[in-house]
Amino acid sequence: SQELEQSPQSLIVQEGKNLTINCTSSKTLYGLYWYKQKYGEGLIFLMMLQKGGEEKSHEKITAKLDEKKQQSSLHITASQPSHAGIYLCGADYNQGGKLIFGQGTELSVKP
Amino acid sequence: DTEVTQTPKHLVMGMTNKKSLKCEQHMGHRAMYWYKQKAKKPPELMFVYSYEKLSINESVPSRFSPECPNSSLLNLHLHALQPEDSALYLCASSWTGANTEAFFGQGTRLTVV
Repeated sequence: SQELEQSPQSLIVQEGKNLTINCTSSKTLYGLYWYKQKYGEGLIFLMMLQKGGEEKSHEKITAKLDEKKQQSSLHITASQPSHAGIYLCGADYNQGGKLIFGQGTELSVKP
Repeated sequence: DTEVTQTPKHLVMGMTNKKSLKCEQHMGHRAMYWYKQKAKKPPELMFVYSYEKLSINESVPSRFSPECPNSSLLNLHLHALQPEDSALYLCASSWTGANTEAFFGQGTRLTVV
């Protein structure tokens, strides 16, 4: 969707390295959701961000929403092979629960 | 329990068949969703049910017919599908229709022959 741009499209990192995935919206977000997906499987919920400047962490994954609520980043510290998969950001534009997803970032972690 | 269960996991159907996809959740969520995902693309919303009423239909062709028999179940009835309808169909649920995280099922891989 042109409303939501995700970058990079793919990422290959060495195990133990840090990485960042970005998600940029063309308009103000009511909420921003991060999901992880293994190919052909369902989406696993990671984090939800709603307030400008909000930051949440779970294990080695940290997500932030900027003050203007138009950009979010997902940062993985000391990546592991278990982090490999497709990361999707989903935007809530206050449309009755509809999520618009970015194109996804395919992450590979080399041992 | 954050589980959304979808059946079947795989489905192959002919263009003249009628089949149904099923989705179940027991988290007490009052909003349920159907998404369609083509290969290497993000999920796209098809339908939203809120408190068992259809609240969003994203201009989906009538060969897809959703049904929400009760607050725990969501069905997607399929009839006269086309090969281009082959995709991963994902069900999700959330507490309400806005500002709450949605939990997804594992999906049904549909192939139309």
